[in-house]
Amino acid sequence: QSALTQPASVSGSPGQSIAISCTGTSSDVGGYNYVSWYQQHPGKAPKLMIYEVSNRPSGISDRFSGSKSGNTASLTISGLQAEDEAEYYCSSYSSGTTLEVFGTGTKVTVL
Amino acid sequence: EVQLVESGGGLVQPGGSLRLSCTASGFTFSSYWMSWVRQAPGKGLEWVANIKQDGSEKYYVDSVKGRFTISRDNAKRSLDLQMNSLRVEDTAVYYCARRGGASSPLGYWGQGTLVTVSS
Repeated sequence: QSALTQPASVSGSPGQSIAISCTGTSSDVGGYNYVSWYQQHPGKAPKLMIYEVSNRPSGISDRFSGSKSGNTASLTISGLQAEDEAEYYCSSYSSGTTLEVFGTGTKVTVL
Repeated sequence: EVQLVESGGGLVQPGGSLRLSCTASGFTFSSYWMSWVRQAPGKGLEWVANIKQDGSEKYYVDSVKGRFTISRDNAKRSLDLQMNSLRVEDTAVYYCARRGGASSPLGYWGQGTLVTVSS
């Protein structure tokens, strides 16, 4: 089972909006609405930001939103802030032998 | 407050064994699926294993099948990962994480414990 494909890096200025893509297959992203997004700051544990494609856990800012079209999911961060600078990973339930597959990770830089 | 605290990491030679533990607090441990996820140095996240609330179902990533065993003790609120026949490529920070169901997201994570496999 291959990792989901994400861009290596995305950058934006404070206040701008950015989008991170996550491309899989019909066996994972395209086949299920079980896509999650995690934020990870250096040396820290990942933190759940979005689950089931577009739902935010309690306490997560509404600046973070998720969507999906076909085999590609996306995370949008609006009103970019300095504290959003981190690594972001998508994940999806998979019908293969690997039940869960993560994305390759995207480094978000706030200029 | 939900807390997950991993322990047991360290340096081990290739072919050796190590047992990781995760102690849970702040929630009803027996009501949740639990998982192990690892992250090699400078690399991305990799799901390792899942275990159902009562331990009756266990799932593993292909690369650890037959070598790693996930288990839990609900009375002690603990989750374990027995790792045998360790390989250099198993070197990673291992995270314990809580999930609601088999396909639910990983809502809470521990701080991780580093396993280094090297001669």
